[in-house]
Amino acid sequence: LAKTTQPISMDSYEGQEVNITCSHNNIATNDYITWYQQFPSQGPRFIIQGYKTKVTNEVASLFIPADRKSSTLSLPRVSLSDTAVYYCLVEYGNKLVFGAGTILRVKS
Amino acid sequence: GAVVSQHPSWVICKSGTSVKIECRSLDFQATTMFWYRQFPKQSLMLMATSNEGSKATYEQGVEKDKFLINHASLTLSTLTVTSAHPEDSSFYICSARTPLAQETQYFGPGTRLLVL
Repeated sequence: LAKTTQPISMDSYEGQEVNITCSHNNIATNDYITWYQQFPSQGPRFIIQGYKTKVTNEVASLFIPADRKSSTLSLPRVSLSDTAVYYCLVEYGNKLVFGAGTILRVKS
Repeated sequence: GAVVSQHPSWVICKSGTSVKIECRSLDFQATTMFWYRQFPKQSLMLMATSNEGSKATYEQGVEKDKFLINHASLTLSTLTVTSAHPEDSSFYICSARTPLAQETQYFGPGTRLLVL
């Protein structure tokens, strides 16, 4: 059964690095991992996408170990405005499976 | 680039009426669009996958006769909630894929539906 699992919530302080891990045990060779950010009453916003090893863009990094059974979204130096829900999405073949979302609360 | 819009952003209707929600890809042609539903404090639930020019593929448990999807052009997909009832009240979100990045979905801003 394809499943995407992530922690329910995380707390952090401004300026810290935040790492959110997603488990996807049944990921196949050609499946991508995508992370989204969602604010209340808004559509999800694309953060980063990866297939293997490490991907970095201007807002985040995505680390994927060799077995690809998990992945970690890394947000450097978070600010209060990064308080949101973060979703991990894996497409298992043709089946799209979102994680339940991780509520990130950034405190001052 | 890769902007997706939805209209309306919110709608209130009486029980028994039908509501149409539009999803448009503004700066690209989307061969595939997706429709999701999200209840408060829950994750996105995929309802159906919409391919231009063909019938939508519905997820298990989603009534195709109640949630009518039409993908008539490469930039427009519509979701019609027929005979809406209070339990259909939810946040409906569409997404689209760009031809150049088939692995990535870009989401619209969502439509809040409240059925009285």
